[in-house]
Amino acid sequence: RKEVEQDPGPFNVPEGATVAFNCTYSNSASQSFFWYRQDCRKEPKLLMSVYSSGNEDGRFTAQLNRASQYISLLIRDSKLSDSATYLCVVKGSNDYKLSFGAGTTVTVRA
Amino acid sequence: GAVVSQHPSRVICKSGTSVKIECRSLDFQATTMFWYRQFPKKSLMLMATSNEGSKATYEQGVEKDKFLINHASLTLSTLTVTSAHPEDSSFYICSASPHEGYEQYFGPGTRLTVT
Repeated sequence: RKEVEQDPGPFNVPEGATVAFNCTYSNSASQSFFWYRQDCRKEPKLLMSVYSSGNEDGRFTAQLNRASQYISLLIRDSKLSDSATYLCVVKGSNDYKLSFGAGTTVTVRA
Repeated sequence: GAVVSQHPSRVICKSGTSVKIECRSLDFQATTMFWYRQFPKKSLMLMATSNEGSKATYEQGVEKDKFLINHASLTLSTLTVTSAHPEDSSFYICSASPHEGYEQYFGPGTRLTVT
């Protein structure tokens, strides 16, 4: 079983729509969680950390469910510039290594 | 803040040659840096953890003699792909964290093509 699993998508949505997707992780001892975005042929860039209480950053809302071991990301009022691959990233408890999901592709159309 | 650079951004080399990739943290010190590779439409795969002043820690299946890592200072780590073969063609990305154990920031990546 992969450490981090994501629905690869693609999620194809019109501008202004809301899109949400999840990621599951296998290690119950995982301590830190992040969403990164990666544009085609570019490096991943940190979008937001995910806190136990859930957190919001503008149009982006992240939630963590430790009991079910999943993380979600919701994008409201989608913009064309939101088109990217969103990587779910989990850090274990014993080291600084990150485990990456394969990414969820979102395409926002005009 | 938290800027990581990589050089070169793109390199094409012939089979059998060696290629060195540099990763620098520009505005912070990093005792630990990470090297990843990514194949098209695949996830980033951690290759090794680079530790300043000590040997790198390689992930299972990564040949340490083929992928030489040197972390000579708190702002520089290098990855040398030795005797490169076409199957080594990939996107190599480094990362570093200004605060150990917290989010990592990635370099822009190096696209290696071995002909």
